[in-house]
Amino acid sequence: GQNIDQPTEMTATEGAIVQINCTYQTSGFNGLFWYQQHAGEAPTFLSYNVLDGLEEKGRFSSFLSRSKGYSYLLLKELQMKDSASYLCAYRNQGGKLIFGQGTELSVKP
Amino acid sequence: GAGVSQSPSNKVTEKGKDVELRCDPISGHTALYWYRQRLGQGLEFLIYFQGNSAPDKSGLPSDRFSAERTGESVSTLTIQRTQQEDSAVYLCASSLVSLGGRTDTQYFGPGTRLTVL
Repeated sequence: GQNIDQPTEMTATEGAIVQINCTYQTSGFNGLFWYQQHAGEAPTFLSYNVLDGLEEKGRFSSFLSRSKGYSYLLLKELQMKDSASYLCAYRNQGGKLIFGQGTELSVKP
Repeated sequence: GAGVSQSPSNKVTEKGKDVELRCDPISGHTALYWYRQRLGQGLEFLIYFQGNSAPDKSGLPSDRFSAERTGESVSTLTIQRTQQEDSAVYLCASSLVSLGGRTDTQYFGPGTRLTVL
């Protein structure tokens, strides 16, 4: 199967921390990607995980557990400009990226 | 070039007309991908190219959709006899390789917003 699931929307406060979860089910797995997409713009690459654990990049971190089919994106010190859609995608063994529907994050003052 | 470019940025057409969408990948990127994104939905894979060949066309919705790539560079996505359900943003992405690993991270263009009246 090619199932991937993430919450449709989330709201958080400026300066806070937010965690966006993503679960997936696949018979073949070859990496997990997170992208950020502002309204009307193209998705931009945020992070890539292929091994279990946490990858930290500035205010953004991404975690992967392959045995649980689970990833999360952690955003710290939220800023208003972080309001966007966050797309989770796994790559299957054929190299194809399978995207979730995206989580619309609203950051409020 | 600096990034993936696509043209036109917006296209409005009448039902039944053919449209052609263009993608210029990042220079040196051998892999090129087409996706469709309907309003409020995730990205739907259409087709990908490795060089000029298309190993995976499984995402093309119907035989009205076709794509080609020449010179391991520019790609065109053609939709024949457009229908209203074809209205969406068509996104193109490219990556250095498609063999897996960090080097095949996909970088997206700004998309073409297609509206079929």
